[in-house]
Amino acid sequence: NAGVTQTPKFRILKIGQSMTLQCTQDMNHNYMYWYRQDPGMGLKLIYYSVGAGITDKGEVPNGYNVSRSTTEDFPLRLELAAPSQTSVYFCASRLRGQGLNTEAFFGQGTRLTVV
Amino acid sequence: KNEVEQSPQNLTAQEGEFITINCSYSVGISALHWLQQHPGGGIVSLFMLSSGKKKHGRLIATINIQEKHSSLHITASHPRDSAVYICAVRPTTGNQFYFGTGTSLTVIP
Repeated sequence: NAGVTQTPKFRILKIGQSMTLQCTQDMNHNYMYWYRQDPGMGLKLIYYSVGAGITDKGEVPNGYNVSRSTTEDFPLRLELAAPSQTSVYFCASRLRGQGLNTEAFFGQGTRLTVV
Repeated sequence: KNEVEQSPQNLTAQEGEFITINCSYSVGISALHWLQQHPGGGIVSLFMLSSGKKKHGRLIATINIQEKHSSLHITASHPRDSAVYICAVRPTTGNQFYFGTGTSLTVIP
């Protein structure tokens, strides 16, 4: 059981370049999330999805796009990279509902630097 | 104003000491998570709890729903416990989490 897998682990982008951060989970989780983590700050929600075909903005969506064509995959797209997007990005997933089996699982993170 | 506040922000302990990290929150919640992040590493969920107390090995998490407060305790701390510990809550309404800024723990041999 791989859990939540993010690729790549590290990336350096030049200003204006684009890239896609990949996230896939094999737990058949309904909910998937993208967060960014900046030094000294709590994780900030970029986008989330409650199921295939449904996405919604979080606190800090500007400069990003997502899609959820399958239950397993939730890629995050940066179209025109800016230095302010230098951060560590985490993908997470969980099952819908309130029960004990709705624990959140996190990926290993993608460390992105925009120069 | 943050919905989740953690204390202390930084903590240094000698190996073997008993450690407590606190989390207070201001919203009604359906669950609270304690997460662990090693330097440069990913985030691992230690506990999810909505009431009472849970124990895994040397880690104990408690929650008081009425007081909107949770604590993470580490008994007989070890250098491998050095990490950032993050409190996250899932509100009763909405689909997202609110995160604390984390407590950076260093355990010295």
